[in-house]
Amino acid sequence: DVKVTQSSRYLVKRTGEKVFLECVQDMDHENMFWYRQDPGLGLRLIYFSYDVKMKEKGDIPEGYSVSREKKERFSLILESASTNQTSMYLCASSSPSSGTEFSGNTIYFGEGSWLTVV
Amino acid sequence: QKEVEQNSGPLSVPEGAIASLNCTYSDRGSQSFFWYRQYSGKSPELIMSIYSNGDKEDGRFTAQLNKASQYVSLLIRDSQPSDSATYLCAVERGFKTIFGAGTRLFVKA
Repeated sequence: DVKVTQSSRYLVKRTGEKVFLECVQDMDHENMFWYRQDPGLGLRLIYFSYDVKMKEKGDIPEGYSVSREKKERFSLILESASTNQTSMYLCASSSPSSGTEFSGNTIYFGEGSWLTVV
Repeated sequence: QKEVEQNSGPLSVPEGAIASLNCTYSDRGSQSFFWYRQYSGKSPELIMSIYSNGDKEDGRFTAQLNKASQYVSLLIRDSQPSDSATYLCAVERGFKTIFGAGTRLFVKA
């Protein structure tokens, strides 16, 4: 079965702390993503990676960095946490949709990491 | 203008009715289109994907795509209370998938 695992489900951090969010997928997917989800704003893409050691900025990369040293692992780093980074963070990986008709790349999400910065 | 727009709802339908969810997108270069369902406190899960103009059916769900109008919709037939969730429209462009803010659906028993 498809599995994307986010190691930390609930975190409370202080302003200015460095925060690491870890994500591991066991599906041998090339692409991995970090989103944040906020009420009324939906899912917003922070960073994505289409290969080991490769990374691309999404729509809201400011205040974040990422690391992908191994294919199965994609880490999100908050260099100096701020209160406006309080959110739910979703890691995901993707593969082409199955079936006879090409229908793009299906995204599989982890269970989410709820981060509160105080 | 947002890249992917959805009516936030809530959309309320009685059990057994057809629920119609709509989405528009701004980038004509978008290639593939998806509908995800998200229950409260859970992560999104894929319901349907569609690539070509027209309709695609899967059980009680039908996705419709009109690239000329930049419009995607999801029809849920015989709606059930268990369909109550937030439905996210997503659009793929290259390596990126952009999500709408979602439409909340309530199915009343």
